[in-house]
Amino acid sequence: EVQLVESGGGLVQPGGSLRLSCAASGFTFSSYWMHWARQVPGKGLVWVARIDSTGFSTDYADSVKGRFTISRDNAKNTLFLQMNSLRAEDTAVYYCARGDSSTLGHWGQGTLVTVSS
Amino acid sequence: DVQMTQSPSSLSASIGDRVTITCRSSQSIIYYLNWYQQKPGKAPKLLIYAASNLESGVPSRFSGSGSGTDFTLTISSLQPEDVATYFCQQNNKTPLTFGGGTKLEIK
Repeated sequence: EVQLVESGGGLVQPGGSLRLSCAASGFTFSSYWMHWARQVPGKGLVWVARIDSTGFSTDYADSVKGRFTISRDNAKNTLFLQMNSLRAEDTAVYYCARGDSSTLGHWGQGTLVTVSS
Repeated sequence: DVQMTQSPSSLSASIGDRVTITCRSSQSIIYYLNWYQQKPGKAPKLLIYAASNLESGVPSRFSGSGSGTDFTLTISSLQPEDVATYFCQQNNKTPLTFGGGTKLEIK
């Protein structure tokens, strides 16, 4: 069974940093593109970033480019999202998802990030 | 960026009804359109990819159609477990973008 379990969310002050992790199991992690998406509770979905199966190719939404970094450790079956210079508007539930380059086929349960003083 | 517009934003229908949700893109995305279902308190789930292909395990009452800029998600006979918010997503160009969602309730 495919499982994606996010962790690392929490309360952080504006300008602070947070590192999200997504532990993958039940599939060959190193064969898949991985994505991060976010959702303000009660609102719509926003794609954040993606990384190819090797970790060499990444893309970001303009709203996070230069502040967030997606990475992966294929030996540990783990996806990361390093978030720096956090803003109030980054407050959301962050989901990791397995997929191909442009389809998010299987999602984790999400982790809540709150940016507030 | 490709803007995705869904209509209606909310919908109330009776069990057994045929339900149609529309998604329009700001430019042609050919057939690069996915549909997701998000039940209350849960993560999104992929329903349909490439406009009309049913993801494995998804009930056959769900179907998708369209190409270019206009797409449709149809539920042929609404069931209680279909209460959810439905999102379209274009995957023709980055950034990947989602529609605003359609909240489906039972009348």
